[in-house]
Amino acid sequence: QITLKESGPMLVKPTQTLTLTCTFSGFSLSTTGVGVGWIRQPPGKALEWLALIRWDDDKRYSPSLKSRLTITKGTSKNQVVLTMTSMDPVDTATYYCAHLIAASPNFDYWGQGSLVTVSS
Amino acid sequence: QSVLTQPPSVSGAPGQRVTISCTGGSSNIGAGYDVHWYQQLPGTAPQLLIYVNNNRPSGVPDRFSGSKSGTSASLAISGLQAEDEADYYCQSYDSSLSGVVFGGGTKLTVL
Repeated sequence: QITLKESGPMLVKPTQTLTLTCTFSGFSLSTTGVGVGWIRQPPGKALEWLALIRWDDDKRYSPSLKSRLTITKGTSKNQVVLTMTSMDPVDTATYYCAHLIAASPNFDYWGQGSLVTVSS
Repeated sequence: QSVLTQPPSVSGAPGQRVTISCTGGSSNIGAGYDVHWYQQLPGTAPQLLIYVNNNRPSGVPDRFSGSKSGTSASLAISGLQAEDEADYYCQSYDSSLSGVVFGGGTKLTVL
């Protein structure tokens, strides 16, 4: 059974760096063909893909946010970390991590999401 | 502005059939990349509904079906039920962006 859970601050100040951790179980990030992705959703708005990391450590980023994002495998084998610099109130959103099927990229299991508010 | 275009809303009466379109371009759906659909019930995380154009994960009723042709894809829901009221998103891969793209989402209202 695959599960994922996001953790991190609920509130960050403008210009600060956001660090979110995805802790997962039920799969290994060293298994060929899998990965973890990050997707966010501002309140009342659509889903927006942010980044993904594959089993082979290949990393992809949304072109519009690439300069601000870093995705890495965590120090623990069952974690993936996303950092986003220069946070702004428009970055207020629910941030989801999800299990990636890399062959035809889609997300078959999602975390519950973590609401991050950017405000001074 | 989303790379994949969906109608903002659709509606139908219980028992009816509705379709939701997802229009892309030559660097995503038209390039042969697969389309996937997600259902997001109010206040919950999205769930995979259709993968690789027309496949249903275990547990998804066969009332839900997907298709793809050219630069577009469609999600069809037959025998509408009140519990189908949700937001639906299409998703694909874009070679120009080298990444995942989502549609803008469609809100389904069951009248």
